[in-house]
Amino acid sequence: AQSVTQLGSHVSVSEGALVLLRCNYSSSVPPYLFWYVQYPNQGLQLLLKYTSAATLVKGINGFEAEFKKSETSFHLTKPSAHMSDAAEYFCAVSTGSSNTGKLIFGQGTTLQVKP
Amino acid sequence: SAVISQKPSRDICQRGTSLTIQCQVDSQVTMMFWYRQQPGQSLTLIATANQGSEATYESGFVIDKFPISRPNLTFSTLTVSNMSPEDSSIYLCSVEDLGGDTGGYTFGSGTRLTVV
Repeated sequence: AQSVTQLGSHVSVSEGALVLLRCNYSSSVPPYLFWYVQYPNQGLQLLLKYTSAATLVKGINGFEAEFKKSETSFHLTKPSAHMSDAAEYFCAVSTGSSNTGKLIFGQGTTLQVKP
Repeated sequence: SAVISQKPSRDICQRGTSLTIQCQVDSQVTMMFWYRQQPGQSLTLIATANQGSEATYESGFVIDKFPISRPNLTFSTLTVSNMSPEDSSIYLCSVEDLGGDTGGYTFGSGTRLTVV
């Protein structure tokens, strides 16, 4: 069965610093992986998705993630944090044979950006 | 991309009552999903609803507590029955969305439920 683990429920960085949010997955089939962001009192917004086309995936707002099969990881990074990046971030894996099927979410990581 | 209208956006309900949440999609979709997000927590899948068949519930969720209807390819409802304060959560519907740039899934804006 597929699962996702996000390491670190809270991450705090200074504005302009590197953002690194960790995600490890478990899947018996080639996974489809996603990162979502949730701003306070708002819905989920897709940041990026991995669908086996390329291991380095670029998303919106300057975020990117690298799929590493050997490490079963899909960590999210951004070179320079901005105050507006403060939000909750969720890693998710699709259980389907393509990029559909149900999504299983990680526990979430709260990103705090300090001035 | 599919557009989802989820209603109500929020509600405050008395314990012991039931609330039905509606999810309307502007296009036909095969798979619809219902999630619960408890305060400060991640999203947990309640069930998958396919048109023309019974919903499939995840471990820990039962039909008597969360009955789901899926009468056609654009609509679904989730009922939270015999509510208690522990049911206070955000409930979201999601659809499989093979078109557009949503990554394969589109989410409704959620129903924020408070049970008092």
